[in-house]
This record gives sequence, structure tokens and C-alpha cells, in this order.
Amino acid sequence: GQQLNQSPQSMFIQEGEDVSMNCTSSSIFNTWLWYKQDPGEGPVLLIALYKAGELTSNGRLTAQFGITRKDSFLNISASIPSDVGIYFCAGRSAGANNLFFGTGTRLTVIP
Amino acid sequence: EAGVAQSPRYKIIEKRQSVAFWCNPISGHATLYWYQQILGQGPKLLIQFQNNGVVDDSQLPKDRFSAERLKGVDSTLKIQPAKLEDSAVYLCASSLFRGGNEKLFFGSGTQLSVL
Repeated sequence: GQQLNQSPQSMFIQEGEDVSMNCTSSSIFNTWLWYKQDPGEGPVLLIALYKAGELTSNGRLTAQFGITRKDSFLNISASIPSDVGIYFCAGRSAGANNLFFGTGTRLTVIP
Repeated sequence: EAGVAQSPRYKIIEKRQSVAFWCNPISGHATLYWYQQILGQGPKLLIQFQNNGVVDDSQLPKDRFSAERLKGVDSTLKIQPAKLEDSAVYLCASSLFRGGNEKLFFGSGTQLSVL
């Protein structure tokens, strides 16, 4: 099946710092979604991307659909304590039913 | 707008017992998904419904797992009999469109512990 490699696995940053994480796939995707999951909750959709090269922002979050269509990036600017959580990328290839999820990036923000 | 509702939130059972989970998707969402999330991993698709029909159940262990979506709204996922490795969070998600421009919205999940 599809493989989504998400990196880094975990990050410890100071409040106010910027964060970058990425996701790469073994095949071409036509949809990339980024989710945040808090403990004991389901994933919450942050940003959706549908076109190669697309750059989309949601407040302090910015995500990009890679030109090769095999990767995506999520940036968080000026991190705050409530950014703590696990961030998942998810992607779907053309004609596929399944949305594949990455293994997650665990973000810790130190006040 | 109400989100995806799931119950129960937690369930503890012994191996070989049966368990059922319930999901009520966002109103008007035709597509419904059940995902299994094992601790430390991303969600993995078990089954996908479009209205009351199954679109994809290729990852569903059909010898013990079953799911239905009668009337194309609520859905139930059942495990019978449960094994230790079924301990996980079971997430239900729904979306308005299938395919292009699709956005999945998740419920809070049911955390299952099999002892």
C-alpha cells in the first residue's frame, strides 16, 4: 500500500519559534490534508490542498502542495502553547478511495 | 453545525467478547468512514460507505469485524470476537463529497481496550 513518511517524528520548541514539518509519499497524490490531534480527541482538519504548487494559509499555519505531487509541507509561525499536539498529514492518489495518513509529528511548545 | 458524534467514548472488554460502536455523521454528509488508530500511529481506514453502500472494505478484517449503515445515516461497527490487538481508538469520519475537494471531519473516537 501507500507509504507516507512524516518528519520529524517529534519536535521540542520554544514559544514564539517557527515550526516546519513535511510529508513525503511513494506515489503521486492529488489531495493533501493536514490535521491536528489533541489527546483523547479525533483529528481536526487544519488545511486542505488540491493542486500541485498550491500554498494555503489558515491563521499562523501555512501548507504547500509540493510541485512533484509527492510531498507537502506545513509551517507554523510564532508558536504558542496551544499548538501542542500531534500533526498528521493525509493524502489521496487520483481515483483512490483511501485517504492515507502519515505517522504524525508530535509538537511540544515550551513556554 | 453539529460535528460527528460517536459513542461510547471508552469501552473495556475481555478478549473473545463482542463490542459495537455507533456513529452519527454530520447532517447531509453522504460519505462515512471508520478508521482504526493504534497508539502512536496514524489512522488506518477500515471501511468507507457512500450513502448506505460499501465503497471500500478491503482493509476490514471480515472474519471478526462488520459494519453497516442502514438508511444512509448512522453507522455501527462491530467486533466479534475481539482480540488483544484490536485495542485502539476507532474513529468515525464523514465528508460531503467523495473524491476531489473532499474534506473529512472526524468524531472524538471510541477508545477500546481489550484485556
